[in-house]
Amino acid sequence: AQSVTQPDARVTVSEGASLQLRCKYSYFGTPYLFWYVQYPRQGLQLLLKYYPGDPVVQGVNGFEAEFSKSNSSFHLRKASVHWSDWAVYFCAVSMDTGGLSGKLTFGEGTQVTVIS
Amino acid sequence: EAAVTQSPRSKVAVTGGKVTLSCHQTNNHDYMYWYRQDTGHGLRLIHYSYVADSTEKGDIPDGYKASRPSQENFSLILELASLSQTAVYFCASTAGTGTTEVFFGKGTRLTVV
Repeated sequence: AQSVTQPDARVTVSEGASLQLRCKYSYFGTPYLFWYVQYPRQGLQLLLKYYPGDPVVQGVNGFEAEFSKSNSSFHLRKASVHWSDWAVYFCAVSMDTGGLSGKLTFGEGTQVTVIS
Repeated sequence: EAAVTQSPRSKVAVTGGKVTLSCHQTNNHDYMYWYRQDTGHGLRLIHYSYVADSTEKGDIPDGYKASRPSQENFSLILELASLSQTAVYFCASTAGTGTTEVFFGKGTRLTVV
């Protein structure tokens, strides 16, 4: 069965510093990978998605992620964090790109705290 | 902008009581989903549907029923609410073809006492 692991439950970063959030997946076949962000008391919003192709994908608000098949990883990065990036970030995997793309397996999430 | 609306946004229910969570989407999407989120954890799929009058079991369906009376509406039903069902519930929708983005509602916080 597919699974997603986010090894860091909490990350604290200074405003303006760089950020990397780790994601490891376990999946037999071709994975479709996603990063979602959840702001307080809000639903999830898509940051970026990976479909087989270029391993580095660009997302919204300056986020990017890099897929590594050899490491089974899909790490998220941002060069310079803003206080508005304070949120919970979820990595997720799907086995479908069509209608069943909503059948997602999520990691546990990483709480990002931004300090000045 | 695609819209998924959940009601109520918050609810307190009594153990053993019946609870119905509602979801309405105006995206003309075929696929709808119900997830639950427990504190400190990711979302887990409960039920989903790809056409009106039909529902499918997700990864954790026990204790839940789902109903899809129309393309726009998808309900989650707890016939006998239990303490362990205290969680935040999210509804989501996606199109059957074309764009694959999944749109989530803002969630319903359910507390069973």
